[in-house]
Amino acid sequence: AQSVSQHNHHVILSEAASLELGCNYSYGGTVNLFWYVQYPGQHLQLLLKYFSGDPLVKGIKGFEAEFIKSKFSFNLRKPSVQWSDTAEYFCAVNGPSGTYKYIFGTGTRLKVLA
Amino acid sequence: GAGVSQTPSNKVTEKGKYVELRCDPISGHTALYWYRQSLGQGPEFLIYFQGTGAADDSGLPNDRFFAVRPEGSVSTLKIQRTERGDSAVYLCASSPEGGGEQFFGPGTRLTVL
Repeated sequence: AQSVSQHNHHVILSEAASLELGCNYSYGGTVNLFWYVQYPGQHLQLLLKYFSGDPLVKGIKGFEAEFIKSKFSFNLRKPSVQWSDTAEYFCAVNGPSGTYKYIFGTGTRLKVLA
Repeated sequence: GAGVSQTPSNKVTEKGKYVELRCDPISGHTALYWYRQSLGQGPEFLIYFQGTGAADDSGLPNDRFFAVRPEGSVSTLKIQRTERGDSAVYLCASSPEGGGEQFFGPGTRLTVL
């Protein structure tokens, strides 16, 4: 079965620190990749997505992610985090087996200290 | 509002009762998805509608769970004989067509006592 792994469950950073959150998936075929964010008390929002083309994807709020096919990875990065980035981050995959459902990772809770 | 809406936002019920959760997708979106999110976990897929038909219901955990979308817009997730293990946040999402970005609603937090 397809799966998505997010290795960091809780991350605590100080403001201005750099962020990298890992995401690995287990399917070898064509997939679409997503990062969603859930701010406290809010619903899931799309940060960025990869369908094809340039493997370095830029999203909202200064986030970017790099798709490395050989490593089945889609890590999320931000060079300098802000207190307002405190949230839970989910990596998701869809497309395996011709279905459209998302398979989500377990999420990473990020806390940014002011 | 232009987003996905879900009602109720919170539902508390007793073990064995029947519940209905409603999702109103973004207007014009033909694809609708239901997910369930338990504490400390990522959302888990339940069912996907394309128009009025369930295109993929492989995530429904058992026959106590059922969902409909009779007119291709609003969807209702129905849970019979609720169990304490059904307690979770039930999320609905929609997209313009199958595949691509999904837009999520705020969820319904279901608590089964």
